[in-house]
Amino acid sequence: QVQLVQSGTEVKRPGASVKVSCKASGYTFTSFGISWVRQAPGQGFEWMGHINPYNGFTDYAQKFQGRLTMTTDTSTTSTTTFYIELRSLRSDDTAVYYCARDHDYVWGSWGQGTLVTVSS
Amino acid sequence: QTVVTQEPSLTVSPGGTVTLTCTSNTGAVTSSSYPNWFQQNPGQAPRALIYSATNKHSWTPARFSGSLLGGKAALTLSGVQSEDEAEYYCLLYSGGSWVFGGGTKLTVL
Repeated sequence: QVQLVQSGTEVKRPGASVKVSCKASGYTFTSFGISWVRQAPGQGFEWMGHINPYNGFTDYAQKFQGRLTMTTDTSTTSTTTFYIELRSLRSDDTAVYYCARDHDYVWGSWGQGTLVTVSS
Repeated sequence: QTVVTQEPSLTVSPGGTVTLTCTSNTGAVTSSSYPNWFQQNPGQAPRALIYSATNKHSWTPARFSGSLLGGKAALTLSGVQSEDEAEYYCLLYSGGSWVFGGGTKLTVL
């Protein structure tokens, strides 16, 4: 079955960078894109961007342009790992970050989430 | 900038029916907004329920249905059960990006 397993909790200082991973299995990776979404404590969701693993094309929300990078690592035939790197962290970047499978405007499975805390 | 609005909270009795709505400040929600609906329980990741306004995933219980209603996207729960108490979010595609609604806290009482 489709599984998206994310990396663990991160604590970062303001100005640092964080890289979160999302290991996908159970489906044909090149057929489905991945979106990244975050949810600040007690708040709603914010779409950050999307990556197409077939061609590596990325589409970032304007708010994150220049500070965000999404990549893919297809290291085996049975799994692939997606990454999101956010730079120049601020306290308001504190949130749970999720990866979610989306293709042709259909959102499906989500990862379990990764808490990123930015604090001095 | 697109703002997506949902009812902040709704209450329904067990066995009852409730409809949650999703509106956009840019105009009517249509099939081109590709509405998706999600359920989130406290401390858990969201679970997708509905895509493209009306389509259910294989795991979506039959009591959940989606529709487009008077320029809004709607999620209807029929025969509500206690385990349906959760936060529900809609997601719309607008202007080349995805925008989430603020969520509806559904209480089953």
